[in-house]
Amino acid sequence: KAGVTQTPRYLIKTRGQQVTLSCSPISGHRSVSWYQQTPGQGLQFLFEYFSETQRNKGNFPGRFSGRQFSNSRSEMNVSTLELGDSALYLCASSLDAANTELFFGEGSRLTVL
Amino acid sequence: GEDVEQSLFLSVREGDSSVINCTYTDSSSTYLYWYKQEPGAGLQLLTYIFSNMDMKQDQRLTVLLNKKDKHLSLRIADTQTGDSAIYFCAEMTGNEKLTFGTGTRLTIIP
Repeated sequence: KAGVTQTPRYLIKTRGQQVTLSCSPISGHRSVSWYQQTPGQGLQFLFEYFSETQRNKGNFPGRFSGRQFSNSRSEMNVSTLELGDSALYLCASSLDAANTELFFGEGSRLTVL
Repeated sequence: GEDVEQSLFLSVREGDSSVINCTYTDSSSTYLYWYKQEPGAGLQLLTYIFSNMDMKQDQRLTVLLNKKDKHLSLRIADTQTGDSAIYFCAEMTGNEKLTFGTGTRLTIIP
C-alpha cells in the first residue's frame, strides 16, 4: 500500500509570505505528526493530530499551525515566513493514538528567500 | 530535560560490523527507535525496542538497550555500501512524541 505522501516536495517562498503543506497518511492511519528538520536544530516536533484534534504541540511560535481532516489528511501552515523557517518538513503517520510505529514521508523542502 | 546524544560520524569497512551508539536521558521513555535517512529522503523506520526489553534482533540489525545507563546501540552486521546514510535514534516519551538524536553519519569504506 502507498506510503505517506507529502506535497509539494520542494517550494521556494519569500519572507513575509505564507505556505501550506499537505500530508496524506498511510491508508487506515489516523494519527499524523509533523516535524521540522534543519541542520542547526535537527529534528524538532511541531504537532500531532488524531481524529481531527491536535493532541500535542511543540515549542514553535503561533505562526505555525495545522489541521487534520475527517479523512485523516493533514495540512500545516506557516504564516509570515522568516528566513529561519527554511527546512525540511516531515510528516509521519501512525495507525492509532499510541503512535508506536511512525512512518515518515519524503518531506517538503521549503526555502525562504 | 529531554536530550538524546549520538556521535556525529562513523566510518566502517565494507563487510565489517557497524555499531552506532546513543544516550538518552528520559527514563520514562516507552519505546526507543532507530531511523535511517538517505540523502534527499525522509526517515525510514528500521527497528524499535520496548523499554522493558534489552535486546532485539532483526536480520542484520541488532538493538541493545541498557536501561540503567540509558544507552541504546544499533549493530549492523556485514555492512554494505547501501547502508551509507544518517542514522537517528529517537525516544518516545509519555506524550507520544519522538525526541530525536543528532544523527550519526555512517560512511562505508570499500
